[in-house]
Amino acid sequence: KNEVEQSPQNLTAQEGEFITINCSYSVGISALHWLQQHPGGGIVSLFMLSSGKKKHGRLIATINIQEKHSSLHITASHPRDSAVYICALMEYGNKLVFGAGTILRVKS
Amino acid sequence: GAVVSQHPSRVICKSGTSVKIECRSLDFQATTMFWYRQFPKKSLMLMATSNEGSKATYEQGVEKDKFLINHASLTLSTLTVTSAHPEDSSFYICSASGSNHYEQYFGPGTRLTVT
Repeated sequence: KNEVEQSPQNLTAQEGEFITINCSYSVGISALHWLQQHPGGGIVSLFMLSSGKKKHGRLIATINIQEKHSSLHITASHPRDSAVYICALMEYGNKLVFGAGTILRVKS
Repeated sequence: GAVVSQHPSRVICKSGTSVKIECRSLDFQATTMFWYRQFPKKSLMLMATSNEGSKATYEQGVEKDKFLINHASLTLSTLTVTSAHPEDSSFYICSASGSNHYEQYFGPGTRLTVT
């Protein structure tokens, strides 16, 4: 079993829809990152969480440490949100373990 | 957020040659830098971790003599792919962290094609 599992693997949404991407993990962590990778390849760090909830614009990330689960939500989705979203665990130390990514396509 | 740059963004080289990729932290001191590679439609794989002024720590299966990493200053790390082969063609990404070890800032990546 992989240490980190993301779902869904692929997601197609209509512009304006509310989107949820899930990340479950099986190990103890010090923090969890949500990353965005656009087709050109560059990676942007969206959130770093160790507990609770964070919000930035239309993006919301939550984490439940007891259940070993995190979600990334996008409200009022837009075609420019189309990207790969990656959950990455920071185990004790600062190395990251990456999920396989969720490919999101938002259609107009 | 903090800015990390990589140079070059794309490079094509011939088999047998060496190519150097630079990773710079532009507005903070990066005590630790990480090098990753990513194959098409796959997730990132950590190659090595480098701390300024000391030897890099390589992940299992990564040849340290082939992928030379130097982290000579708090703002610059370099990855040199020596005697490149077509199977080294990949997307190489660096990240850097500073005084807050939990934060990592990613570079834009370098696409290497070996012909």
